[in-house]
Amino acid sequence: QSALTQPASVSGSPGQSITISCTGTTSDVGGYNYVSWYQQHPGKAPKLMIYDVSNRPSGVSNRFSGSKSGNTASLTISGLQAEDEADYYCSSYTLSTTPWVFGGGTKLTVL
Amino acid sequence: QVQLQESGPGLVKPSETLSLTCTVSGGSISSYYWSWIRQPPGKELEWIGYIYYSGTTNYNPSLMSRLTISVDTSKNQFSLKLSDVTAADTAVYYCARRAGSSGWYGWYFDLWGRGTLVTVSS
Repeated sequence: QSALTQPASVSGSPGQSITISCTGTTSDVGGYNYVSWYQQHPGKAPKLMIYDVSNRPSGVSNRFSGSKSGNTASLTISGLQAEDEADYYCSSYTLSTTPWVFGGGTKLTVL
Repeated sequence: QVQLQESGPGLVKPSETLSLTCTVSGGSISSYYWSWIRQPPGKELEWIGYIYYSGTTNYNPSLMSRLTISVDTSKNQFSLKLSDVTAADTAVYYCARRAGSSGWYGWYFDLWGRGTLVTVSS
């Protein structure tokens, strides 16, 4: 199946807000509220930031929020901090040959 | 806290078998689903397959004919074997835990290993 589509890169200044999009189809993002987001710093394990579209795991800053409209999910980071600079991946349950599909990842640069 | 660590050769020859192990530390492997996920250079993440602690498996159909995932609960480990590899199997391989346990499971991964790069080359 096709991967979810994410922008290759986004950037923002400290204190600003940024949004990363994740576009799929009605068979995945649009059809189910099972979108998750992961943060990965270089050389580190991916970390769950958002699950089921908009839920934050315990310990994740409330500066991170998720939403969905139609076939596009979004991760918004408010009050950007230098430590937010990382790669971000989205994932969704999919009614396809495999249970999960992933995005290609977005590199966030904090200017 | 629970941690996952992948281990195995970083270089595999074409046509040979890629073997990796994921060790679960700080917690039990029981009552969870454990997945392998990979990311070829410059490409998106790809789900490879999962195994339930009891041994039930589900594989990506595109890899099924070459893939075996097994679990050793006594060692708190699960393993991946991918046979007849080619350069297309070069990737960073991650092990990950599906969220939930004992009857309820989410459609996301709440714990990942750092990943290990496996290069297929002669």
